[in-house]
Amino acid sequence: DQQVKQNSPSLSVQEGRISILNCDYTNSMFDYFLWYKKYPAEGPTFLISISSIKDKNEDGRFTVFLNKSAKHLSLHIVPSQPGDSAVYFCAASARFGNEKLTFGTGTRLTIIP
Amino acid sequence: ETGVTQSPTHLIKTRGQQVTLRCSSQSGHNTVSWYQQALGQGPQFIFQYYREEENGRGNFPPRFSGLQFPNYSSELNVNALELDDSALYLCASSLGTSGRGSYNEQFFGPGTRLTVL
Repeated sequence: DQQVKQNSPSLSVQEGRISILNCDYTNSMFDYFLWYKKYPAEGPTFLISISSIKDKNEDGRFTVFLNKSAKHLSLHIVPSQPGDSAVYFCAASARFGNEKLTFGTGTRLTIIP
Repeated sequence: ETGVTQSPTHLIKTRGQQVTLRCSSQSGHNTVSWYQQALGQGPQFIFQYYREEENGRGNFPPRFSGLQFPNYSSELNVNALELDDSALYLCASSLGTSGRGSYNEQFFGPGTRLTVL
Protein backbone atom coordinates (compact mmCIF):
# COMPACT_ATOMS: atom_id res chain seq x y z
CA ASP A 1 0.00 0.00 0.00
CA GLN A 2 1.78 3.10 -1.29
CA GLN A 3 0.62 5.88 1.04
CA VAL A 4 2.76 8.54 -0.68
CA LYS A 5 2.85 8.53 -4.46
CA GLN A 6 4.96 10.37 -6.98
CA ASN A 7 3.50 9.38 -10.31
CA SER A 8 6.15 11.00 -12.50
CA PRO A 9 9.40 9.02 -12.38
CA SER A 10 11.20 11.71 -14.37
CA LEU A 11 10.88 15.32 -15.49
CA SER A 12 13.00 17.43 -17.83
CA VAL A 13 12.86 21.22 -17.66
CA GLN A 14 14.72 23.97 -19.50
CA GLU A 15 17.09 26.04 -17.39
CA GLY A 16 15.38 29.22 -16.16
CA ARG A 17 11.87 27.77 -16.44
CA ILE A 18 9.66 26.51 -13.63
CA SER A 19 9.90 22.91 -12.39
CA ILE A 20 6.77 21.45 -10.82
CA LEU A 21 6.98 18.17 -8.97
CA ASN A 22 3.82 16.52 -7.72
CA CYS A 23 2.98 14.21 -4.85
CA ASP A 24 -0.24 12.56 -3.65
CA TYR A 25 -0.96 10.89 -0.33
CA THR A 26 -3.72 8.69 1.01
CA ASN A 27 -3.26 8.67 4.79
CA SER A 28 -5.36 11.33 6.51
CA MET A 29 -3.17 11.09 9.62
CA PHE A 30 -0.27 12.75 7.82
CA ASP A 31 0.09 16.31 9.04
CA TYR A 32 3.60 17.27 8.03
CA PHE A 33 5.10 17.03 4.57
CA LEU A 34 8.66 17.35 3.38
CA TRP A 35 10.66 17.40 0.19
CA TYR A 36 14.11 15.87 0.08
CA LYS A 37 16.66 16.13 -2.70
CA LYS A 38 19.13 13.33 -3.41
CA TYR A 39 22.30 13.35 -5.46
CA PRO A 40 24.01 10.06 -6.41
CA ALA A 41 26.18 8.58 -3.65
CA GLU A 42 24.77 11.01 -1.09
CA GLY A 43 21.98 10.76 1.45
CA PRO A 44 18.74 12.70 0.99
CA THR A 45 19.03 16.38 1.92
CA PHE A 46 16.10 18.25 3.41
CA LEU A 47 14.78 20.93 1.08
CA ILE A 48 11.53 22.38 2.36
CA SER A 49 8.54 21.35 4.46
CA ILE A 50 4.97 22.33 5.18
CA SER A 51 2.62 21.73 8.07
CA SER A 52 -0.98 20.76 7.40
CA ILE A 53 -2.16 24.03 8.95
CA LYS A 54 -0.68 25.90 6.01
CA ASP A 55 -1.30 25.73 2.29
CA LYS A 56 1.94 27.32 1.11
CA ASN A 57 5.51 27.63 2.26
CA GLU A 58 8.22 29.49 0.40
CA ASP A 59 11.99 29.42 0.73
CA GLY A 60 13.92 31.28 -1.93
CA ARG A 61 13.41 29.55 -5.28
CA PHE A 62 11.43 26.73 -3.68
CA THR A 63 7.72 26.80 -2.86
CA VAL A 64 5.61 23.94 -1.60
CA PHE A 65 1.84 23.98 -1.99
CA LEU A 66 -0.52 21.75 -0.02
CA ASN A 67 -4.10 20.95 -1.01
CA LYS A 68 -5.48 18.97 1.91
CA SER A 69 -8.88 18.29 0.37
CA ALA A 70 -7.20 16.71 -2.66
CA LYS A 71 -4.42 15.13 -0.55
CA HIS A 72 -1.94 16.63 -2.98
CA LEU A 73 1.22 18.64 -2.66
CA SER A 74 3.57 20.13 -5.18
CA LEU A 75 7.06 21.59 -5.21
CA HIS A 76 7.76 24.55 -7.46
CA ILE A 77 11.31 25.52 -8.34
CA VAL A 78 11.75 28.80 -10.13
CA PRO A 79 13.95 29.58 -11.88
CA SER A 80 15.35 26.08 -12.41
CA GLN A 81 19.13 25.78 -12.40
CA PRO A 82 21.44 22.97 -13.58
CA GLY A 83 22.39 22.21 -9.96
CA ASP A 84 18.77 21.32 -9.30
CA SER A 85 19.19 18.13 -11.33
CA ALA A 86 18.65 15.36 -8.76
CA VAL A 87 16.06 12.90 -7.50
CA TYR A 88 13.36 14.56 -5.42
CA PHE A 89 11.46 12.62 -2.77
CA CYS A 90 8.22 13.66 -1.20
CA ALA A 91 7.81 12.45 2.40
CA ALA A 92 5.06 12.62 4.99
CA SER A 93 4.88 12.27 8.73
CA ALA A 94 2.24 12.01 11.43
CA ARG A 95 4.01 14.41 13.80
CA PHE A 96 2.35 13.21 16.94
CA GLY A 97 4.10 9.89 16.46
CA ASN A 98 7.73 9.04 16.22
CA GLU A 99 8.80 11.04 13.18
CA LYS A 100 8.64 8.00 10.96
CA LEU A 101 8.86 9.35 7.43
CA THR A 102 6.88 7.73 4.64
CA PHE A 103 8.51 8.44 1.30
CA GLY A 104 7.31 8.45 -2.27
CA THR A 105 9.27 6.69 -5.00
CA GLY A 106 10.97 9.85 -6.21
CA THR A 107 11.06 11.99 -9.34
CA ARG A 108 14.30 12.43 -11.27
CA LEU A 109 14.53 16.07 -12.32
CA THR A 110 16.87 16.97 -15.17
CA ILE A 111 17.52 20.62 -15.93
CA ILE A 112 18.51 21.16 -19.54
CA PRO A 113 21.02 24.02 -20.04
CA GLU B 1 29.77 20.21 13.35
CA THR B 2 30.18 16.60 12.14
CA GLY B 3 27.42 15.24 9.93
CA VAL B 4 25.96 11.74 9.89
CA THR B 5 28.46 9.10 8.85
CA GLN B 6 27.89 5.47 7.93
CA SER B 7 30.18 2.49 7.50
CA PRO B 8 30.97 0.59 5.46
CA THR B 9 30.18 2.33 2.18
CA HIS B 10 29.66 -0.89 0.27
CA LEU B 11 29.25 -4.49 1.38
CA ILE B 12 28.77 -7.80 -0.42
CA LYS B 13 27.33 -10.78 1.44
CA THR B 14 25.82 -14.12 0.52
CA ARG B 15 22.40 -15.49 1.39
CA GLY B 16 22.08 -16.69 4.96
CA GLN B 17 24.91 -14.55 6.30
CA GLN B 18 24.59 -11.85 8.91
CA VAL B 19 25.57 -8.19 8.53
CA THR B 20 26.12 -5.21 10.83
CA LEU B 21 25.91 -1.66 9.54
CA ARG B 22 27.05 1.31 11.59
CA CYS B 23 25.95 4.91 11.92
CA SER B 24 27.39 7.86 13.81
CA SER B 25 24.78 10.50 14.42
CA GLN B 26 25.28 14.21 14.02
CA SER B 27 26.78 15.92 17.05
CA GLY B 28 24.12 16.64 19.68
CA HIS B 29 21.49 14.35 18.16
CA ASN B 30 19.94 11.64 20.34
CA THR B 31 17.61 9.96 17.85
CA VAL B 32 18.55 7.64 15.01
CA SER B 33 16.24 6.23 12.33
CA TRP B 34 17.11 3.54 9.80
CA TYR B 35 15.64 3.27 6.31
CA GLN B 36 15.97 0.74 3.51
CA GLN B 37 15.95 2.05 -0.06
CA ALA B 38 15.54 -0.64 -2.70
CA LEU B 39 16.41 0.15 -6.30
CA GLY B 40 13.85 2.48 -7.87
CA GLN B 41 11.98 2.95 -4.59
CA GLY B 42 11.82 5.56 -1.89
CA PRO B 43 13.37 4.93 1.52
CA GLN B 44 11.27 2.69 3.79
CA PHE B 45 11.31 3.14 7.57
CA ILE B 46 12.85 0.20 9.44
CA PHE B 47 12.98 1.48 13.04
CA GLN B 48 13.97 4.39 15.23
CA TYR B 49 16.01 4.59 18.42
CA TYR B 50 15.64 7.37 20.96
CA ARG B 51 18.03 7.50 23.91
CA GLU B 52 18.99 3.83 23.43
CA GLU B 53 15.40 2.53 23.31
CA GLU B 54 13.50 1.39 20.22
CA ASN B 55 10.88 4.04 19.52
CA GLY B 56 8.87 2.72 16.60
CA ARG B 57 9.26 0.05 13.97
CA GLY B 58 8.18 -0.30 10.37
CA ASN B 59 7.00 -3.41 8.57
CA PHE B 60 10.25 -5.38 8.75
CA PRO B 61 10.75 -8.91 10.17
CA PRO B 62 12.51 -9.53 13.50
CA ARG B 63 15.73 -10.54 11.72
CA PHE B 64 16.22 -6.78 11.34
CA SER B 65 17.42 -5.55 14.71
CA GLY B 66 19.23 -2.55 16.04
CA LEU B 67 21.10 -0.96 18.87
CA GLN B 68 21.81 2.55 20.00
CA PHE B 69 24.82 3.23 22.20
CA PRO B 70 25.29 5.80 25.01
CA ASN B 71 27.07 8.11 22.55
CA TYR B 72 23.93 7.81 20.33
CA SER B 73 25.72 5.99 17.53
CA SER B 74 23.75 3.05 16.20
CA GLU B 75 23.97 -0.35 14.54
CA LEU B 76 21.60 -2.15 12.21
CA ASN B 77 21.90 -5.93 12.23
CA VAL B 78 20.33 -8.18 9.65
CA ASN B 79 20.36 -11.96 10.15
CA ALA B 80 19.75 -14.71 7.62
CA LEU B 81 20.25 -12.39 4.66
CA GLU B 82 17.94 -12.78 1.68
CA LEU B 83 18.43 -11.62 -1.90
CA ASP B 84 15.69 -8.98 -1.41
CA ASP B 85 17.74 -7.38 1.37
CA SER B 86 19.98 -5.92 -1.33
CA ALA B 87 19.45 -2.17 -0.98
CA LEU B 88 20.87 1.13 0.17
CA TYR B 89 20.56 1.42 3.95
CA LEU B 90 20.21 4.97 5.21
CA CYS B 91 20.64 6.26 8.70
CA ALA B 92 19.17 9.58 9.80
CA SER B 93 19.72 11.43 13.04
CA SER B 94 17.63 14.09 14.73
CA LEU B 95 17.31 15.85 18.05
CA GLY B 96 14.54 14.38 20.17
CA THR B 97 11.22 13.03 19.04
CA SER B 98 8.39 15.25 18.00
CA GLY B 99 5.85 14.14 20.58
CA ARG B 100 3.44 17.05 20.52
CA GLY B 101 6.07 19.58 19.61
CA SER B 102 7.51 20.78 16.36
CA TYR B 103 8.95 18.42 13.81
CA ASN B 104 12.63 17.66 14.31
CA GLU B 105 14.46 17.56 11.02
CA GLN B 106 16.21 14.32 10.17
CA PHE B 107 19.70 14.51 8.69
CA PHE B 108 20.68 11.58 6.51
CA GLY B 109 24.02 9.88 6.07
CA PRO B 110 25.31 8.78 2.64
CA GLY B 111 24.13 5.21 3.16
CA THR B 112 25.60 1.72 2.97
CA ARG B 113 25.06 -0.20 -0.27
CA LEU B 114 24.43 -3.85 0.63
CA THR B 115 24.50 -6.51 -2.09
CA VAL B 116 23.34 -10.03 -1.24
CA LEU B 117 24.41 -12.75 -3.68
